[in-house]
Amino acid sequence: EAQVTQNPRYLITVTGKKLTVTCSQNMNHEYMSWYRQDPGLGLRQIYYSMNVEVTDKGDVPEGYKVSRKEKRNFPLILESPSPNQTSLYFCASGRRQGVVTDTQYFGPGTRLTVL
Amino acid sequence: RKEVEQDPGPFNVPEGATVAFNCTYSNSASQSFFWYRQDCRKEPKLLMSVYSSGNEDGRFTAQLNRASQYISLLIRDSKLSDSATYLCVVITYYGGSQGNLIFGKGTKLSVKP
Repeated sequence: EAQVTQNPRYLITVTGKKLTVTCSQNMNHEYMSWYRQDPGLGLRQIYYSMNVEVTDKGDVPEGYKVSRKEKRNFPLILESPSPNQTSLYFCASGRRQGVVTDTQYFGPGTRLTVL
Repeated sequence: RKEVEQDPGPFNVPEGATVAFNCTYSNSASQSFFWYRQDCRKEPKLLMSVYSSGNEDGRFTAQLNRASQYISLLIRDSKLSDSATYLCVVITYYGGSQGNLIFGKGTKLSVKP
């Protein structure tokens, strides 16, 4: 089954404790992206990647890191989480279309709470 | 003017009603457009692409108006299961290696019995 998986689905942590949210896709997509979704603000892109070893900042990259060492995986790293990073996070993948993508397939989401 | 704008709603309609949403975009160079559906606390899922000539999928019709810079989604014969938030996506290519993808904040639809 074609899918995007994220882990963990729910996470409660404390300020400053490094964490990683994993994302994996089995559709051989070049494009992968991370979003956060907050009430009233909609989906905002954090980082995206057009291919292995190629990553770019989205609209809200501060406080986040990503890596793309393999085509299927695109982990999101919070080196020192803060309460304002409490949010619902989605990973997505899609075929590369020019310098962006077209249809995106989303993971089920990770609900992160930073105390 | 914001890059991509949607009326947040909520649109409360009875079953069987026809409802339409618009999504305006500010960059005339934008080239690709999509509608996604998002159920509460779930991931967004592609509903349909929006083509220049318009496209229809069952009860759903999407249209693009480049002159006025908006896309629309029309839902006929609304079902209870259509209750969700509808997100528009606008993709703009700037040439070379530049481009961006922006989601609207979504329009909430609630279909009542």
